[in-house]
Amino acid sequence: ILNVEQSPQSLHVQEGDSTNFTCSFPSSNFYALHWYRWETAKSPEALFVMTLNGDEKKKGRISATLNTKEGYSYLYIKGSQPEDSATYLCAFLNAGNNRKLIWGLGTSLAVNP
Amino acid sequence: NAGVTQTPKFQVLKTGQSMTLQCAQDMNHEYMSWYRQDPGMGLRLIHYSVGAGITDQGEVPNGYNVSRSTTEDFPLRLLSAAPSQTSVYFCASKFRGVTEAFFGQGTRLTVV
Repeated sequence: ILNVEQSPQSLHVQEGDSTNFTCSFPSSNFYALHWYRWETAKSPEALFVMTLNGDEKKKGRISATLNTKEGYSYLYIKGSQPEDSATYLCAFLNAGNNRKLIWGLGTSLAVNP
Repeated sequence: NAGVTQTPKFQVLKTGQSMTLQCAQDMNHEYMSWYRQDPGMGLRLIHYSVGAGITDQGEVPNGYNVSRSTTEDFPLRLLSAAPSQTSVYFCASKFRGVTEAFFGQGTRLTVV
């Protein structure tokens, strides 16, 4: 069974705080790791797609790192803003079946002004 | 460029009724998928397609049918709606390979 786990489940921070959360996935047969941002009443939108061990990607104040050997990825948000409030999902692609994304339950982030 | 278009946005069905959720994309994506999202659970794959004429089952296919007669369209059919199918449904599409998925706006379905 391939499981993707995200922690924490939810997070409340103050505007201006920096924060990070974790996505854990099986380290064997790694193919790719996706991060998505999902605002309430909208649909998920892709942040990053990562494939290489040690890769680091950045989009504005949001960045992500990838460790395929130990099976985790971190998502960082620098200087959180209220508009960053959303659920952040990660999804794993296994090399054995790279057609199906396996999704975590997400980390729900609330940024208080 | 409309992206991924899902219709309807909301639907209420009576138990036993059938209906089709429509999904269309204009990005020439090979892969299309249907997910359901329920409280406390991650996105669960219902059916997916890797190209016109090719479909396959996901994690929770029972009670649903799909077809892919064109690259653009991937409708999801509920054969005989049950209250357990009350959920939010998302259609997604992507190019093959290591590429991001694009999601439709979702359909909130209630079966009474």
